[in-house]
Amino acid sequence: GAVVSQHPSWVICKSGTSVKIECRSLDFQATTMFWYRQFPKQSLMLMATSNEGSKATYEQGVEKDKFLINHASLTLSTLTVTSAHPEDSSFYICSAYSGTADHQPQHFGDGTRLSIL
Amino acid sequence: GNSVTQMEGPVTLSEEAFLTINCTYTATGYPSLFWYVQYPGEGLQLLLKATKADDKGSNKGFEATYRKETTSFHLEKGSVQVSDSAVYFCALSYSGTYKYIFGTGTRLKVLA
Repeated sequence: GAVVSQHPSWVICKSGTSVKIECRSLDFQATTMFWYRQFPKQSLMLMATSNEGSKATYEQGVEKDKFLINHASLTLSTLTVTSAHPEDSSFYICSAYSGTADHQPQHFGDGTRLSIL
Repeated sequence: GNSVTQMEGPVTLSEEAFLTINCTYTATGYPSLFWYVQYPGEGLQLLLKATKADDKGSNKGFEATYRKETTSFHLEKGSVQVSDSAVYFCALSYSGTYKYIFGTGTRLKVLA
């Protein structure tokens, strides 16, 4: 149980295009989803917290207009990297959370490797 | 502020060796503590968790005990296998939000 599917797993696109990444909770309802960015051999950096039906909360230093997050349902959140540039190339990981108490774990997707040429 | 400090890697062990990866934390209140494992090119998988002091989390031969007196949550395994080679992340979830604070991750390489 508690499966999170992330799609696509790998995307390569030209500079200036926009890329959408989907995060779905397959067998549970996710009240909250998180988006992380991970640089090579480094830890995960939280980008934003997404609650169903409300605006995402972005971490300090993360550009809201660059990284658009939509959480339209309890099973789907999307991250759109707008006008992507080579410096946006990274590994993006989502996680989903279904509990109402701190002791519930986050469940992670398998990540999306984004390469901007 | 809240933080997680994890031992630097990489850690290289021979198969069947004993593993310890240190993790200490600072936090207000009573956080929950987690260990996650990341295999190359994949997301994170929950390995084990502990939600209160003296709890021991265990899974697949891995163990960690929530030690409030030393603010630690060290990961141990008695006999590692080549398939345990991965990056291990310690994390805490602090009161009031469901956010995680991650340690920097420790890369483990197990040689046959």
